[in-house]
Amino acid sequence: GPKVLQIPSHQIIDMGQMVTLNCDPVSNHLYFYWYKQILGQQMEFLVNFYNGKVMEKSKLFKDQFSVERPDGSYFTLKIQPTALEDSAVYFCASSRQGGEVFFGKGTRLTVV
Amino acid sequence: GDSVTQTEGLVTLTKGLPVMLNCTYQTTYSPFLFWYVQHLNEAPKLLLKSSTDNKRTEHQGFYATLHKSSSSFHLQKSSVQLSDSALYFCALSDRTGNYKYVFGAGTRLKVIA
Repeated sequence: GPKVLQIPSHQIIDMGQMVTLNCDPVSNHLYFYWYKQILGQQMEFLVNFYNGKVMEKSKLFKDQFSVERPDGSYFTLKIQPTALEDSAVYFCASSRQGGEVFFGKGTRLTVV
Repeated sequence: GDSVTQTEGLVTLTKGLPVMLNCTYQTTYSPFLFWYVQHLNEAPKLLLKSSTDNKRTEHQGFYATLHKSSSSFHLQKSSVQLSDSALYFCALSDRTGNYKYVFGAGTRLKVIA
């Protein structure tokens, strides 16, 4: 079936540094999402993205976060600068309008 | 605000037995409810969805009925298999597209021989 690929699967980064999480969504999908899951807790919505723009973001989507999908390539989540509380698993997802949402396996980010 | 509650963190069952994983929700809008399953080292995958009150929806032997009167969407299966061992998430949305899910905490189902 359709797959959303997330690169890398694990990332360890020093606090204060910048990190970019990459997502290769399903090829004909137009809606993209990021969710954050802190260990042992539920997945929480961060942001959704359509037609080159952020449609909606939650209070978890801090000013240090940004998303983009330049030229139809990877859909990225950038955190600059990182903080210890950004340590979590970040899930990317994509969908067509009204269609099933497909998730990636997640990127485990550890900020040290 | 909107919320989804899954009361069981871990459910351990012997194969062949029935299972029910609880999901209740709170929202002010007309809800769409979903169950996602995540096997170890895999991506969460859609298992079931519904927005129709009192209509049973089924897939891969699992079934659930949305009951708006009790704000529930419990997941059931009549006979669990070893391969059903996974993490199950209940999720709520207010729309069919441009999804912004509210997830429950998840229930880990462990099926033993």
